[in-house]
Amino acid sequence: SQKIEQNSEALNIQEGKTATLTCNYTNYSPAYLQWYRQDPGRGPVFLLLIRENEKEKRKERLKVTFDTTLKQSLFHITASQPADSATYLCALDRKGGSYIPTFGRGTSLIVHP
Amino acid sequence: GAVVSQHPSRVICKSGTSVKIECRSLDFQATTMFWYRQFPKQSLMLMATSNEGSKATYEQGVEKDKFLINHASLTLSTLTVTSAHPEDSSFYICSALWGAASTEAFFGQGTRLTVV
Repeated sequence: SQKIEQNSEALNIQEGKTATLTCNYTNYSPAYLQWYRQDPGRGPVFLLLIRENEKEKRKERLKVTFDTTLKQSLFHITASQPADSATYLCALDRKGGSYIPTFGRGTSLIVHP
Repeated sequence: GAVVSQHPSRVICKSGTSVKIECRSLDFQATTMFWYRQFPKQSLMLMATSNEGSKATYEQGVEKDKFLINHASLTLSTLTVTSAHPEDSSFYICSALWGAASTEAFFGQGTRLTVV
């Protein structure tokens, strides 16, 4: 069966450190993978998209890697700040052609001052 | 970025009544909208895909007659929870794609439904 797995345990880190979140998937062949941020009681907000032929993507303090052999994406936040505390969701397209985003459960990040 | 507005943000209703949730794309035309529900600490579960002017495509296990979806225009989709029961209490979120080839979904702020 298809699975998108993200660490269910919260990641606690100290301000200024780099946070690394993992997304693993099975039985998908995604053309792209996305990362979203979700704050409590709010809808997700799009952060980054990485395509299957891209190894790495950067946006300001964010970096995403995509390894289609390992079926894994890593999401990094450098110089983390307390304001980065949120739940981060990865999403894959479920079907080729039309995009239907399917989400992992998300990992909660807590950045301590 | 594009804005999707969802209304209401919170609603409490009595068992047996119906509740309508609206999802509007404010500054773009959304050919495709998605409806999700999310339980605490769980992932967003896709309920249905809604295309303007056509019937919604429901995910397996989602009751079409209970969760009525209407996508009457390129800027508005509605989800009506009919004959609501306490187990329907959840966080409902809509999202919209900007254009058929879009790969970025814009989300509404969500609706917290509580059925008492």
